[in-house]
Amino acid sequence: DIQMTQSPSTLSASVGDRVTITCRASQSIRSWLAWYQQKPGKAPKLLIYKASSLESGVPSRFSGSGSGTEFTLTISSLQPDDFATYYCQQYNSDPRTFGQGTKVEIK
Amino acid sequence: EVQLVQSGAEVKKPGESLKISCKGSGYSFSTYWIGWVRQMPGKGLEWMGIIYPGDSDTRYSPSFQGQVTISADKSVSTAYLQWSTLKASDTAMYYCARPKQWREVNDAFDMWGQGTMVTVSS
Repeated sequence: DIQMTQSPSTLSASVGDRVTITCRASQSIRSWLAWYQQKPGKAPKLLIYKASSLESGVPSRFSGSGSGTEFTLTISSLQPDDFATYYCQQYNSDPRTFGQGTKVEIK
Repeated sequence: EVQLVQSGAEVKKPGESLKISCKGSGYSFSTYWIGWVRQMPGKGLEWMGIIYPGDSDTRYSPSFQGQVTISADKSVSTAYLQWSTLKASDTAMYYCARPKQWREVNDAFDMWGQGTMVTVSS
């Protein structure tokens, strides 16, 4: 299985901050990486696919980059609605593993 | 409206069997893969497996192979996740999800069901 490791596990930030979350794969996944946002009691929501493509309807303050084994999700200016948990997922090969999640908290 | 609607919450005893469902509507159900994802209480997301309703081609995570059965009935646009013998450790929220592109298994999930909470307790 490909292991996905996110860092940090928890991030405390303020509204307006620039936030970066990192996801590392244990082997190359090319650009087959997605980022999801999950709020308590809700299903995950797709933000980014193919490492850097913004899902329709997702605000442009979200961006993704990377390829191979190292990827980042950046929120350019954190908004109140962005406090949530974020997961990366590789879909290069089965099983399509998720990272352990990064919780973005209010500072 | 394109959506996935899952069956309701279940409370079961250890040793019992269970089948939960995920009904797709508003799109050609048989031409999109459907995946299942587990989320144990307070924990992260785990990919369980995926099925193509058109021909029932199914892939399992090794962690779930033999523990659950994924199936689909394209005549009623519904995918299923079932257990023959539940354990307390199966207590979790279970989500079904659909990839962005038709016929494409290597894709992100852009549509999710609302989740089915399964509680297994004596």
